[in-house]
Amino acid sequence: DIVMTQSPDSLAVSLGERATINCKSSQSILYSSSSKEYLAWYQQKPGQPPKLLIYWASTRKSGVPDRFSGSGSGTDFTLTISNLQAEDVAVYYCQQYYSRPPTFGGGTKVEIK
Amino acid sequence: QVQLVQSGADVKKPGASVKVSCKAFGYTFTDYYMHWVRQAPGQGPEWMGWINPKTGGTSYALNFQGRVTMTRDTSINTLYLELSRLRSDDAAVYFCARDPDNEDYFDYWGQGTLVTVSS
Repeated sequence: DIVMTQSPDSLAVSLGERATINCKSSQSILYSSSSKEYLAWYQQKPGQPPKLLIYWASTRKSGVPDRFSGSGSGTDFTLTISNLQAEDVAVYYCQQYYSRPPTFGGGTKVEIK
Repeated sequence: QVQLVQSGADVKKPGASVKVSCKAFGYTFTDYYMHWVRQAPGQGPEWMGWINPKTGGTSYALNFQGRVTMTRDTSINTLYLELSRLRSDDAAVYFCARDPDNEDYFDYWGQGTLVTVSS
């Protein structure tokens, strides 16, 4: 199975500032024939299911604010939340879907400083 | 709009079976593969398997093979997850989730069903 490792476990950011979450896969999740990175990012608030933010590493789901952006390639990926808002307090998960089983990172908790 | 509505919380004894349902609204039920994902308290999500609602075909994670059964009833746009021989570490929130591209990522999730395993 591909292991997804997120860092940091938690971070506190001031309102309006930038939050950066890292995700590392134990092997490349780039499918070379399509040049696609098989990585998604989810946001989960307490008592709610995960919500898809980003797929193919950098494609924002319709309706997701553009302050959320994804980047990276190969084994190293980043979710950036620019201009952090109070409603962005949540746990964020990365997930690879390059090979089965699809696997998730351990999560990064984002709080307001 | 797309909605996935799951059955309510359940309490089971070790060794028993649990069956969770997931009813789909707002899209053509047979057009999208569906997955089941569970999440233990304080942990990241764990994938359990998928079902093709059109054919009923399934694929299960190795961790659950022999204990899990995924079925569907197309007449009422509903999926079912049955997990048998429950253990204490099966206590978790169970989610159904829709796969938009048959690529194993998930664009809509059910609200979750809490399963408690306790003697």
